[in-house]
Amino acid sequence: QVQLVQSGPEVKMPGASVKVSCTASGYRFSDYGISWVRQAPGQGLEWLGWISTYNGNTHYARKFQGRVALTAYPSTSTAYMELRSLRSDDTAAYFCARHCTGGDCASAWFDPWGQGTLVTVSS
Amino acid sequence: QSVLTQPPSASGTPGQGVTISCSGSSSNIGNKYVYWYQHLPGTAPKLLIYRNNQRPSGVPDRFSGSKFGTSASLAISGLRSEDEGDYYCAAWDVSLTGVLFGGGTKLTVL
Repeated sequence: QVQLVQSGPEVKMPGASVKVSCTASGYRFSDYGISWVRQAPGQGLEWLGWISTYNGNTHYARKFQGRVALTAYPSTSTAYMELRSLRSDDTAAYFCARHCTGGDCASAWFDPWGQGTLVTVSS
Repeated sequence: QSVLTQPPSASGTPGQGVTISCSGSSSNIGNKYVYWYQHLPGTAPKLLIYRNNQRPSGVPDRFSGSKFGTSASLAISGLRSEDEGDYYCAAWDVSLTGVLFGGGTKLTVL
């Protein structure tokens, strides 16, 4: 079955960077994009950006431009999200999700989602 | 602050129906498809409704979506205890060129 499996929890100091992985199985990786979404404690969902796993093109939410970097490697069916200059309000669960069905990336279709990776930023 | 506006909470008793609204603008809901996600405690979000009113395979027909103008709704009939959780609407915004989520609605089954 189609599945996305993410790396484990991380604890980081303010100012550091974190890199979360997302490994796909059950479908051809380069046929869909991967988006990243986060949920801070007690808050709603927030989209960070997406990457085309076909050609590596990226599109970031304006709020995160310059601080987030998405990469993807078809050879290992793995996508990565790196967030730099971490602050305490970056503490959140980070989810990857399959995106861009039918080549349409200007949509909010995400299916399925990874299990989430808790990133805690604390001194 | 979310640009897509949802009520923070909704509730109903088992067997009843409930409707969750999602209000946006011409740059998002008014021009693009609406999607709904169910986020149950301790699980990953799950696609519930796509393209305004389509159900993925495996989603019960108790869940239905609709859209009119710049607003959308998710209706749940025959409430069950396992429906308790958070529900989010989402849409692409053509002005922001990005995905917007509603603030989420916490559904309680009394």
